[in-house]
Amino acid sequence: RKEVEQDPGPFNVPEGATVAFNCTYSNSASQSFFWYRQDCRKEPKLLMSVYSSGNEDGRFTAQLNRASQYISLLIRDSKLSDSATYLCVVRDPGGYQKVTFGTGTKLQVIP
Amino acid sequence: SAVISQKPSRDICQRGTSLTIQCQVDSQVTMMFWYRQQPGQSLTLIATANQGSEATYESGFVIDKFPISRPNLTFSTLTVSNMSPEDSSIYLCSVRGRAAETQYFGPGTRLTVL
Repeated sequence: RKEVEQDPGPFNVPEGATVAFNCTYSNSASQSFFWYRQDCRKEPKLLMSVYSSGNEDGRFTAQLNRASQYISLLIRDSKLSDSATYLCVVRDPGGYQKVTFGTGTKLQVIP
Repeated sequence: SAVISQKPSRDICQRGTSLTIQCQVDSQVTMMFWYRQQPGQSLTLIATANQGSEATYESGFVIDKFPISRPNLTFSTLTVSNMSPEDSSIYLCSVRGRAAETQYFGPGTRLTVL
């Protein structure tokens, strides 16, 4: 089983749609969780951290389910500019805090 | 936030040669990371570069193939040695923010080995 697994997509959705991505992780001791966004031929950039209680940032909502070891990202009212690859990132506890990236889910928002 | 620059931004190299990638950060950081992103794949950590000590390599990566230098707290280099076409990839330098919550990436070096 991969350490961090994501559906690679692509998810093709019309503008204004709501879309959700899931990500599962294998290490139950993992401590911190993030969603990164990577545009084509660009470096990844932090979209949002994922907190145990769930968190929202505008049209984006992230949730964590520790029992089932998955995190989710919900995007409401999709914009063309949301088209990108969304990377699930998991950080392990401890001094080294190893970070593992998922393979990413590609989103294409269609006019 | 940290601003990271990398040189070169891209290169095309012949097999058997070596390329050194430079990474410059606009602030002092303890740990710098080197990642590889192969076409259609996610990021794979190559090594962690600590100032004043040898780099720590991940499984599957060795110092002879990917020597790293870290002469000070704002600069690091990664060398891809004795290149083969399988080394064609994007190489990214990364640092963690002060709160260690955020990880910042350089723009990447796109390497093609013929």
